[in-house]
Amino acid sequence: GQSLEQPSEVTAVEGAIVQINCTYQTSGFYGLSWYQQHDGGAPTFLSYNALDGLEETGRFSSFLSRSDSYGYLLLQELQMKDSASYFCAVRIGGYNKLIFGAGTRLAVHP
Amino acid sequence: GAVVSQHPSRVICKSGTSVKIECRSLDFQATTMFWYRQFPKKSLMLMATSNEGSKATYEQGVEKDKFLINHASLTLSTLTVTSAHPEDSSFYICSARDDRATETQYFGPGTRLLVL
Repeated sequence: GQSLEQPSEVTAVEGAIVQINCTYQTSGFYGLSWYQQHDGGAPTFLSYNALDGLEETGRFSSFLSRSDSYGYLLLQELQMKDSASYFCAVRIGGYNKLIFGAGTRLAVHP
Repeated sequence: GAVVSQHPSRVICKSGTSVKIECRSLDFQATTMFWYRQFPKKSLMLMATSNEGSKATYEQGVEKDKFLINHASLTLSTLTVTSAHPEDSSFYICSARDDRATETQYFGPGTRLLVL
């Protein structure tokens, strides 16, 4: 089967740094994606890692270790607008479909 | 950036009726689109993979006769919830895979379905 594990909730203050971890057990792994979703909205693509290492995009970075079946999303200089749910998703074979984790709700406080 | 639209955004219907949801890629071609279902504060559950010109591939446990998918063109996929019941009430989200960059999916804004 396919399974992804990520923390259910994380709380942080403005300006802080937060790391959201994701471990996965899937077949046919092609890469790990991260999506942000605000309540009532659609998921928004944040990053994609196909190879080991760190990818940086502005305040957000994502890391992948294929040998450990592990990745994380790092959010720096947190802002109130970063309060949302964050999903890791594994891209698997076939039509490159995505299997999503349960999501991590991030609450940023002043 | 790539834009995906969904219509309608919200729909309320009576039990036993059918509801059609459209998913369009507005500025790119998408041979492959995906349909997800999401319950409040839960993850996105992949329902099916929709391919232009061929039958959809359904995930285990998803009734293909209940959730009819048609992908008639490279920019349009439709999901029809047939004989809807209250337990079908959910947030339905589509995504489209850009034919030019197949590692990325772009999500539509979602359709909130409420069956009374």
